[in-house]
Amino acid sequence: KQEVTQIPAALSVPEGENLVLNCSFTDSAIYNLQWFRQDPGKGLTSLLLIQSSQREQTSGRLNASLDKSSGRSTLYIAASQPGDSATYLCAVRSDRGSTLGRLYFGRGTQLTVWP
Amino acid sequence: NAGVTQTPKFQVLKTGQSMTLQCAQDMNHEYMSWYRQDPGMGLRLIHYSVGAGITDQGEVPNGYNVSRSTTEDFPLRLLSAAPSQTSVYFCASSRGVGNTEAFFGQGTRLTVV
Repeated sequence: KQEVTQIPAALSVPEGENLVLNCSFTDSAIYNLQWFRQDPGKGLTSLLLIQSSQREQTSGRLNASLDKSSGRSTLYIAASQPGDSATYLCAVRSDRGSTLGRLYFGRGTQLTVWP
Repeated sequence: NAGVTQTPKFQVLKTGQSMTLQCAQDMNHEYMSWYRQDPGMGLRLIHYSVGAGITDQGEVPNGYNVSRSTTEDFPLRLLSAAPSQTSVYFCASSRGVGNTEAFFGQGTRLTVV
């Protein structure tokens, strides 16, 4: 069964720091990996989607990389701001026959950026 | 520009009551799914559908029913609510089962007392 792990579970940093959030998965049979942001009491907002054939994807201050063979992804946040405070979730979409199309989630990294 | 819409946003039920959580999407997506989110755990798949008239079970289906009579709607039914079903429920949709992006609703926070 696919297992997704996110490290660290929580991170607290001063404004302006560059950050790295890690996501690992055990089964490389994936279509893609998606990073989400979740604010307290809210839904999931998609940040970046990396296809299994891609190495990285960028959106503004966010850059996500994917190493499918080693089962790892990182989300890099440049010049962090207090507004980046949220929980960040990664999810992989299965390419394996018995679980085709299913999303598997990590438990998230809770990020706090203080002024 | 509605995307995925869930109703209600909040609900309190008594043990044994039944209810339906509504989910609708306006993107003509074939793949829809329901997840529950509990503290300290990742989102877990309850049921999913790959198209109208086709549904299947996910990881934690017990106590829940689904049906998919139209492409747009995918309601989740709690048959006889239990305190263990206290959770936040999310509905998601995507264009298909392959290399597609998932879109989520805002969630329904359910408390069973």
